[in-house]
Amino acid sequence: SQQGEEDPQALSIQEGENATMNCSYKTSINNLQWYRQNSGRGLVHLILIRSNEREKHSGRLRVTLDTSKKSSSLLITASRAADTASYFCATHREGNTPLVFGKGTRLSVIA
Amino acid sequence: ETGVTQSPTHLIKTRGQQVTLRCSSQSGHNTVSWYQQALGQGPQFIFQYYREEENGRGNFPPRFSGLQFPNYSSELNVNALELDDSALYLCASSLTGNNEKLFFGSGTQLSVL
Repeated sequence: SQQGEEDPQALSIQEGENATMNCSYKTSINNLQWYRQNSGRGLVHLILIRSNEREKHSGRLRVTLDTSKKSSSLLITASRAADTASYFCATHREGNTPLVFGKGTRLSVIA
Repeated sequence: ETGVTQSPTHLIKTRGQQVTLRCSSQSGHNTVSWYQQALGQGPQFIFQYYREEENGRGNFPPRFSGLQFPNYSSELNVNALELDDSALYLCASSLTGNNEKLFFGSGTQLSVL
């Protein structure tokens, strides 16, 4: 079963614009992670935010976490055509429990 | 490149057959997780192996089984293949079993006819 639900399912923007993707989840978590997948290949880890953190930055990425609303957002600033991919949020509850992925947001950046 | 390699990259089987997928984990990683990703969906957790022992299993039937070897490479076996088993199978390794950062291979695309 999938814990996270990304919104929107698909997003199309112009190069240079910002892209925002949202993730909602159902149970308490230890951390939330964002991954990127190009064209059905392997996923690449982008960023991890812990349950006691509210915001985190990495390059052009900004992630927020609101545990009271059980939601997270991923912002990609100044998007590039190379950012075109599917983006997944994944939640981790505790210890050795598995990482549970959402259905993803398909981002298209048009040059 | 993550250092996680999977083989084969593509595979075509018929219903009822058996398949073995292989994964070499990133150097130094002792934990391997397997995921199934249907077209247009997110990865679904199959199971995880930590130091050669199964360390968690998702909602998959017993015909999905696995192994982890002393060098931490792993196999996923699926018996009695069904049409719905057609999917991308992803292997991911991590430094420990705490799943704080997974390194994925490029996957094996399995088609069951």
